Amino acid sequence: KNEVEQSPQNLTAQEGEFITINCSYSVGISALHWLQQHPGGGIVSLFMLSSGKKKHGRLIATINIQEKHSSLHITASHPRDSAVYICAVRYNTPSGGGADGLTFGKGTHLIIQP
Amino acid sequence: DGGITQSPKYLFRKEGQNVTLSCEQNLNHDAMYWYRQDPGQGLRLIYYSQIVNDFQKGDIAEGYSVSREKKESFPLTVTSAQKNPTAFYLCASSRPGSPRAVAKNIQYFGAGTRLSVL
Repeated sequence: KNEVEQSPQNLTAQEGEFITINCSYSVGISALHWLQQHPGGGIVSLFMLSSGKKKHGRLIATINIQEKHSSLHITASHPRDSAVYICAVRYNTPSGGGADGLTFGKGTHLIIQP
Repeated sequence: DGGITQSPKYLFRKEGQNVTLSCEQNLNHDAMYWYRQDPGQGLRLIYYSQIVNDFQKGDIAEGYSVSREKKESFPLTVTSAQKNPTAFYLCASSRPGSPRAVAKNIQYFGAGTRLSVL
């Protein structure tokens, strides 16, 4: 079964610190998503990547296809960044369609203390 | 505002009872998905639908049923056959376009429904 591994599982940091969350997967994918889940449970899509790097505000996502690895970075972290960050991938299917939904990591619980 | 609406936010089920979770989207998306989230676990796919009047089982479909009579709506019924229904349920949608584009489409998520057993 294809897996998505995230690390660390839990991370507590001080406000202003640079944060890195890692995601690795096992076989070829067509897309990788980084999601943010708020304490109430609602999920927001942060990035969708198939190669390279994307930046949005203080958030940066990178992916290395050869190493099957992606990282999510948060610069100048703030208490409002506290959330669960989830990596999800769409594995390649024989038909190339990928219509069967995403495979999710278990999430990284991030707490930023003031 | 365009988005996905799930209701109710909290739901309680009595033993032997079927309950239905609502998911509505006004994003004009063709594809809709239901996921289940358990504590400490990643989301798992229950059912998905690529188009009206068609749906497919995901990884954990047993004990669940769905319908897709309208593009905007994809209700999930948790049947009495689901012996461990307590979980957080998330609905999502995406615009798949052509089959090759399916893999690259962002999924938009609802706020979720938390189901508990009385």
